[in-house]
Amino acid sequence: DAGVTQSPTHLIKTRGQQVTLRCSPKSGHDTVSWYQQALGQGPQFIFQYYEEEERQRGNFPDRFSGHQFPNYSSELNVNALLLGDSALYLCASSSPTYGDSPLHFGNGTRLTVT
Amino acid sequence: EDKVVQSPLSLVVHEGDTVTLNCSYEVTNFRSLLWYKQEKKAPTFLFMLTSSGIEKKSGRLSSILDKKELFSILNITATQTGDSAVYLCAVSDNYGQNFVFGPGTRLSVLP
Repeated sequence: DAGVTQSPTHLIKTRGQQVTLRCSPKSGHDTVSWYQQALGQGPQFIFQYYEEEERQRGNFPDRFSGHQFPNYSSELNVNALLLGDSALYLCASSSPTYGDSPLHFGNGTRLTVT
Repeated sequence: EDKVVQSPLSLVVHEGDTVTLNCSYEVTNFRSLLWYKQEKKAPTFLFMLTSSGIEKKSGRLSSILDKKELFSILNITATQTGDSAVYLCAVSDNYGQNFVFGPGTRLSVLP
């Protein structure tokens, strides 16, 4: 039973560039959430996708956008990268259809912006 | 704005010690509190707490929630070097899907 998988594992980009991160949820999960974790801090909620629509959004600018596909996988896009976007980006899946459901995390994508 | 505070932020103990990690929160329409262990990358799920006063246990780890005083504790008994990690506390609101995380407690267990 595959858990949450993310790609790529590491990425180095230059300021102003655009980046796309990918996530496949755990088998049986239909909801995908994205978090940004800066060094030494807890994960911060970016947004959540369910039924191919953004259901909730955290306090992140419009440069951060996403998408969910019919197979429940998801992408996170960040435009016009800033140095401050350097962080570990975590994808988490869950299945709230059946009640309270903890988040299951992938190993993340380490993004470095130079 | 929903908020989670954890203490201490950092803790160093020796193998065999017992530790207590604290998590206090402010959230509109509280639904659940979760504990995670993060060693390198992916936080791994430990406990989900929704009711006050009911202790959850898994081996040497246990946790309890106090919804009146808005806090939770995570206890680890007979610590081992493998317990070294960052322990994250998160709370969700009534919708149950927007989890707000605290900064974490970095636990270092020395041999």
